[in-house]
Amino acid sequence: KQEVTQIPAALSVPEGENLVLNCSFTDSAIYNLQWFRQDPGKGLTSLLLIQSSQREQTSGRLNASLDKSSGRSTLYIAASQPGDSATYLCVVNAGGTSYGKLTFGQGTILTVHP
Amino acid sequence: GAGVSQTPSNKVTEKGKYVELRCDPISGHTALYWYRQSLGQGPEFLIYFQGTGAADDSGLPNDRFFAVRPEGSVSTLKIQRTERGDSAVYLCASSPRRGSGANVLTFGAGSRLTVL
Repeated sequence: KQEVTQIPAALSVPEGENLVLNCSFTDSAIYNLQWFRQDPGKGLTSLLLIQSSQREQTSGRLNASLDKSSGRSTLYIAASQPGDSATYLCVVNAGGTSYGKLTFGQGTILTVHP
Repeated sequence: GAGVSQTPSNKVTEKGKYVELRCDPISGHTALYWYRQSLGQGPEFLIYFQGTGAADDSGLPNDRFFAVRPEGSVSTLKIQRTERGDSAVYLCASSPRRGSGANVLTFGAGSRLTVL
């Protein structure tokens, strides 16, 4: 059974810092991996999706890497801003007959203070 | 619609009552998913529909939980004889179809259920 673990559980940083969120998964046979952002009272927003054949994806100040063989992904946020404060979820999709049966990590609660 | 719509956004009920949660997926999306998120946890898979049929209901915790999608669009998650442990945010997501590498699930804002 796939298990996804995120470290740290919570992170508080001053504005402007670069930071790294870590994700590990136990079964390397994945279809893709996504990083979502979750704001209180709102739905999940997909930030980056990395296919199993890819090593990284970038969008603006965000960069996500994937090392499938070691079961790890990182989300790098450059020049953090207070608006980045949210819960960040790492999500693995096994694909095949399990497509859409996503396995979520517990999340990292990020607080960026001015 | 422009996004996945879920109603009600909040539901408070008493133990033992029956509850229905509704999901309106993005128009044209054939795949629909239900997830449950307990406090402090990541969402957990409940059930997945492809069209009108439940393709995978292995995540439903017990027979008090049931979901339908009679016309292949709107879905209703039904919970009978609610228990306090059912309290959670119930998330719905949809995607254009299953199995494509380009597809990303779009999530609704969720329905927060509180069982007193």
